[in-house]
Amino acid sequence: GDSVTQMEGPVTLSEEAFLTINCTYTATGYPSLFWYVQYPGEGLQLLLKATKADDKGSNKGFEATYRKETTSFHLEKGSVQVSDSAVYFCALREFSGGGADGLTFGKGTHLIIQP
Amino acid sequence: GAGVSQSPSNKVTEKGKDVELRCDPISGHTALYWYRQRLGQGLEFLIYFQGNSAPDKSGLPSDRFSAERTGESVSTLTIQRTQQEDSAVYLCASSPRVRETQYFGPGTRLLVL
Repeated sequence: GDSVTQMEGPVTLSEEAFLTINCTYTATGYPSLFWYVQYPGEGLQLLLKATKADDKGSNKGFEATYRKETTSFHLEKGSVQVSDSAVYFCALREFSGGGADGLTFGKGTHLIIQP
Repeated sequence: GAGVSQSPSNKVTEKGKDVELRCDPISGHTALYWYRQRLGQGLEFLIYFQGNSAPDKSGLPSDRFSAERTGESVSTLTIQRTQQEDSAVYLCASSPRVRETQYFGPGTRLLVL
């Protein structure tokens, strides 16, 4: 079945550091890929998405590129801020045509940014 | 506008009791999803509803779990004869139509003693 693997946390960085959170996936078809973020005390929010190979999703300074050849969707940001501290989830959704529409999530990466 | 809401926010129950969790989706959203997040794990898909179609129950972990939805409004997730391994955060999401962006509620944190 489908699966998503992302780097274990917590990841602790200093403010203005470069961020990479790795995400790889296993799917039988052509999934759409997502990054969700959960800020402290808040619900999950969609951060960015990509629906086909080589697409780049971007939002709030974060970027991720759908790499079919490496089955990856790594999240990057050039200069992190304390306000980026949150838990980040990589997810996929595969269109099987049978109607199943649930997202498959990774376990989440807790990011801590220190001033 | 209002987002997805869930109630209760926290629920503590004794093993063997039944619990009912509620989800109010965003108005006008035809698709509704339930997920479970156990401690240290990712979210597990449980069930989804699309309009008046039969729900996709493929993710329900056992026959103790069931869910209903009235039209395109409120949904309830019922867990019968709760077990300690049912302790988790139960998240609900809705989307305007199937295969569109899912918007998540704050979750219900369930603790089974």
